[in-house]
Amino acid sequence: GNSVTQMEGPVTLSEEAFLTINCTYTATGYPSLFWYVQYPGEGLQLLLKATKADDKGSNKGFEATYRKETTSFHLEKGSVQVSDSAVYFCALSDPSKSTFGDGTTLTVKP
Amino acid sequence: KAGVTQTPRYLIKTRGQQVTLSCSPISGHRSVSWYQQTPGQGLQFLFEYFSETQRNKGNFPGRFSGRQFSNSRSEMNVSTLELGDSALYLCASSFSGTGEDNSPLHFGNGTRLTVT
Repeated sequence: GNSVTQMEGPVTLSEEAFLTINCTYTATGYPSLFWYVQYPGEGLQLLLKATKADDKGSNKGFEATYRKETTSFHLEKGSVQVSDSAVYFCALSDPSKSTFGDGTTLTVKP
Repeated sequence: KAGVTQTPRYLIKTRGQQVTLSCSPISGHRSVSWYQQTPGQGLQFLFEYFSETQRNKGNFPGRFSGRQFSNSRSEMNVSTLELGDSALYLCASSFSGTGEDNSPLHFGNGTRLTVT
């Protein structure tokens, strides 16, 4: 079946540092790929998505590129802020359901 | 547009009881999915409903059940509660179902269930 493997956390960075959270997937067919973010006490929110190979999703300074050859969808941001502290989930969807990674907790210190 | 609404936000139950959680999707969304979130297991898929029919089901025991009404609102029921059922239960809606039109899931803030 489908699976998503995320870089283990937690990740702690200083403000303005560069962020990478690794995500690789296993799937049959051509799923869509997503990054969701969860702030304390809330549900998940869509951060960005990519629907086919070589697509780049971007939002709020975050980017991720759908790499079919390496089955990866790594999340990057050039300069993190304290307000980016949250849990980040990589996910894939196919016609049957969405599959999520275990989540990576990011803490950004001022 | 109102978001996904889950009620109640918090619940405390004792072992052996049953519980019903409610989810109102975004207007116009016909697919509703339920997930269980725990620190140890992450996000686990429970089931998905579309137009009042269960289309997909995760690997949970039969104590976990759900239904969807004609207005797309959904309920989830857990019978004979166990301590291990303590979790955050998240509901998510989408227009036509995950993956079919690449539409993302829109999540509610969840119901925090504590079983004592």
